[in-house]
Amino acid sequence: QLQLQESGPGLVEPSETLSLTCTVSGGSITTHTFYWGWIRQPPGKGLEWLGYIYYNGNTYYNPSLKSRVTISADTSQSQFSLKLTSVTAADTAVYYCARRPYDIRMPLTWGQGSLVTVSS
Amino acid sequence: QSVLTQPPSVSGAPGQRVTISCTGSSSDIGAGYHVHWYQQLPGTAPKVIIYANSIRPSGVPDRFSGSKSGTSASLAITGLQVEDEADYYCQSHDNSLSGSVFGGGTKVTVL
Repeated sequence: QLQLQESGPGLVEPSETLSLTCTVSGGSITTHTFYWGWIRQPPGKGLEWLGYIYYNGNTYYNPSLKSRVTISADTSQSQFSLKLTSVTAADTAVYYCARRPYDIRMPLTWGQGSLVTVSS
Repeated sequence: QSVLTQPPSVSGAPGQRVTISCTGSSSDIGAGYHVHWYQQLPGTAPKVIIYANSIRPSGVPDRFSGSKSGTSASLAITGLQVEDEADYYCQSHDNSLSGSVFGGGTKVTVL
């Protein structure tokens, strides 16, 4: 059964870079049938899509964050990662990694989420 | 501001029927992309309760149903139960973003 697990620092200082890794078990990130990405949820607020990476390395980012977001993959470790630069308090959120099927008739599969707080 | 529009809250007494709307545009729901619905309990990740507009995953009670028409979709909960108190989000795909879009979420309260 597929499992997604986020990991990374829970506290990041303002203006620094937020880095998170998602480890995938029970499935391959090299298959063409899925995209792998990140979604965040500020405390008490709604969900925001950040971006996806496809098995061929193509990336797709939310235009509102595109200049600050990078998603990459390490297929040897079955992991993909998020980097968000120049963070502010507004970037405080639970960050979820997720799998999006190529067939968009199917829903997302989510990790459990990782709270990242931006504060000095 | 979310791409898809949902009412912030709906409420109903136990046993009643409530509906949650999700309104999009010609680049997402109106472009023919499917709508998925997620239930989120406090402190947990979203859980899919309806996918591909109207399909209920195994284990989801049949009091949950979904529909889609034009640029909008709806989630209905019939026979509302206390355990249905949660936040509900709709999700679709946007061809101009090449990514996922979400509604702002609706809090369901059982009176």
